[in-house]
Amino acid sequence: DGGITQSPKYLFRKEGQNVTLSCEQNLNHDAMYWYRQDPGQGLRLIYYSQIVNDFQKGDIAEGYSVSREKKESFPLTVTSAQKNPTAFYLCASSMMGNQPQHFGDGTRLSIL
Amino acid sequence: QQQVKQSPQSLIVQKGGISIINCAYENTAFDYFPWYQQFPGKGPALLIAIRPDVSEKKEGRFTISFNKSAKQFSLHIMDSQPGDSATYFCAANTGYSSASKIIFGSGTRLSIRP
Repeated sequence: DGGITQSPKYLFRKEGQNVTLSCEQNLNHDAMYWYRQDPGQGLRLIYYSQIVNDFQKGDIAEGYSVSREKKESFPLTVTSAQKNPTAFYLCASSMMGNQPQHFGDGTRLSIL
Repeated sequence: QQQVKQSPQSLIVQKGGISIINCAYENTAFDYFPWYQQFPGKGPALLIAIRPDVSEKKEGRFTISFNKSAKQFSLHIMDSQPGDSATYFCAANTGYSSASKIIFGSGTRLSIRP
């Protein structure tokens, strides 16, 4: 089945630690996205990528970094510079243009 | 201008009733309006979507009504069922040939009472 796989489902970060969230898609989509969702709020765009080796900042990129070395993969690193990282992180992908985004089932990040 | 305003924040409807969620936007460049449904612990899933050249789109019990002049659109869930209890997000985007950058509303938590 085609889809988006995010791992791990739950992740804990210690103070001063960087953590990386995995996102893999087998939908052959060109574009991939990372969102942050806080309780009772909508989705806020962190980074997005339209092609391999290229990515753009979204609305809340500070404290996060990404890479796009393969079309299928778009990992997100939450750095120690992100002072409030506790949230539900969602990865999505889409075809280019006005196409719907398909989401993974998220990673919930908490602080130890 | 990039915001999509969604209301209500939460909604309780009796089983069999009609659930109505409203959204408004300012950016007239938006040309694709999807609705997403999210269950707890899951990612959002596309429910239904509309483009501004039509005023209504229906898929089963779900209908989008679109008012281009008022820059408003709404989701109607007919014969609401307990399984419809979820958080619903309206959204808008304009991607043309580039990545589909979606602006999401803040969400409506819908509860259907049996």
